[in-house]
Amino acid sequence: EVVITQSPPTLSVSPGERATLSCRASQRVNSNLAWYQQKPGQAPRLLIHSASIGATGIPARFSGSGSGTEFTLTISSLQSEDFAIYYCQQYNNWPFTFGQGTNLEIK
Amino acid sequence: EVQLVESGGNLVQPGGSLRLSCAASGFTFSSNAMNWVRQAPGKGLEWVSSITGSGGSTYYADSVQGRFTISRDSSTNTLFLQMNSLRAEDTAVYYCANSPGFSGSHFAFWGQGTLVTVSS
Repeated sequence: EVVITQSPPTLSVSPGERATLSCRASQRVNSNLAWYQQKPGQAPRLLIHSASIGATGIPARFSGSGSGTEFTLTISSLQSEDFAIYYCQQYNNWPFTFGQGTNLEIK
Repeated sequence: EVQLVESGGNLVQPGGSLRLSCAASGFTFSSNAMNWVRQAPGKGLEWVSSITGSGGSTYYADSVQGRFTISRDSSTNTLFLQMNSLRAEDTAVYYCANSPGFSGSHFAFWGQGTLVTVSS
């Protein structure tokens, strides 16, 4: 099983600043990695797939990078609606696995 | 517009059974793999099961293998999850999600979830 480790568990950032979230896979997953955003009481929403391709309707301030085992989600200028929990997921190997999440909170 | 609507969640005793449904619309159901993901209270996301567009291949997490069965009905555009021998640790919100293409991929759209509580 591919173990996904996200860091940091909690990230405190001020509105307007940049946030950088990391995701590491225990083995190579090529570019088969996605990022999801989840707000309290809501279902997750796809942000990025194939490591760097933005999902339909996702603002350009969200970007993804990386391949192999190291991946990054960057939010260039945080808006109030961006404070949420972010999960990465690999879909290169069964079972598909999620990271434990990064809680992005207001500083 | 893609819509996924889960139903069937309920309170059930340990050892009991439950069948979840996910009604899909707004996309070509038979061309998309489908998935179940769960989230225990206050916890992260856990992939549960996936089924290819044809229904010919199914995949399960070790934690549910042998107890849960995923299936789909293309005549009604509905995804199912039959859950047997339920345990307290199966308590969670269960989400269905679709994946573009016939086999495994990212989870493009998600339903709002249905709550399963396993307790005596």
